[in-house]
Amino acid sequence: KQEVTQIPAALSVPEGENLVLNCSFTDSAIYNLQWFRQDPGKGLTSLLLIQSSQREQTSGRLNASLDKSSGRSTLYIAASQPGDSATYLCGYTGGGNKLTFGTGTQLKVEL
Amino acid sequence: DAGVTQSPTHLIKTRGQQVTLRCSPKSGHDTVSWYQQALGQGPQFIFQYYEEEERQRGNFPDRFSGHQFPNYSSELNVNALLLGDSALYLCASSPTGGSEKLLFGSGTQLSVL
Repeated sequence: KQEVTQIPAALSVPEGENLVLNCSFTDSAIYNLQWFRQDPGKGLTSLLLIQSSQREQTSGRLNASLDKSSGRSTLYIAASQPGDSATYLCGYTGGGNKLTFGTGTQLKVEL
Repeated sequence: DAGVTQSPTHLIKTRGQQVTLRCSPKSGHDTVSWYQQALGQGPQFIFQYYEEEERQRGNFPDRFSGHQFPNYSSELNVNALLLGDSALYLCASSPTGGSEKLLFGSGTQLSVL
């Protein structure tokens, strides 16, 4: 069974702090990996997509890295803001658009 | 562009009933996938439709079935509802190929009483 683990499960930080969310996966034959944001009771918003041939992607204050050999990805959030409070999910595809997700990291950024 | 549209947004059913959820994909997308997300969990893949056929299926019982129409919209049907079917049901669309970002709808929150 292919699994995705996200650590930590929950995180509370003061505003302005830089933080790292971790994602590990057991399937070495990934096609791409995505990081999503989910607000309570809402759908998923794609933040960054990394193809298996890439090492990292950046968008604004977000940077995601991918290390296929170790089965790990990280999402770095710089200068966190209260509006960043949400659940962050990583998911990978092995081809065919099917995403396998982790259980997410619930982030709270406090004033 | 409206993106992915799901209806209804909320639904309450009782055990044993049947439910149909609907999804309209983003314009230009021809592949639709359905996911179930229980409270506090990550989404679980139910199945994917392309060219009006089920192409991939996750580990869900036959009570879960679907359909894709010629205009690429899709329905998810669940028969003989169980309390454990209570979840957020998410639809995602994508163009054929798999390298593009999947685009998710806002979901249908199903409560089974």
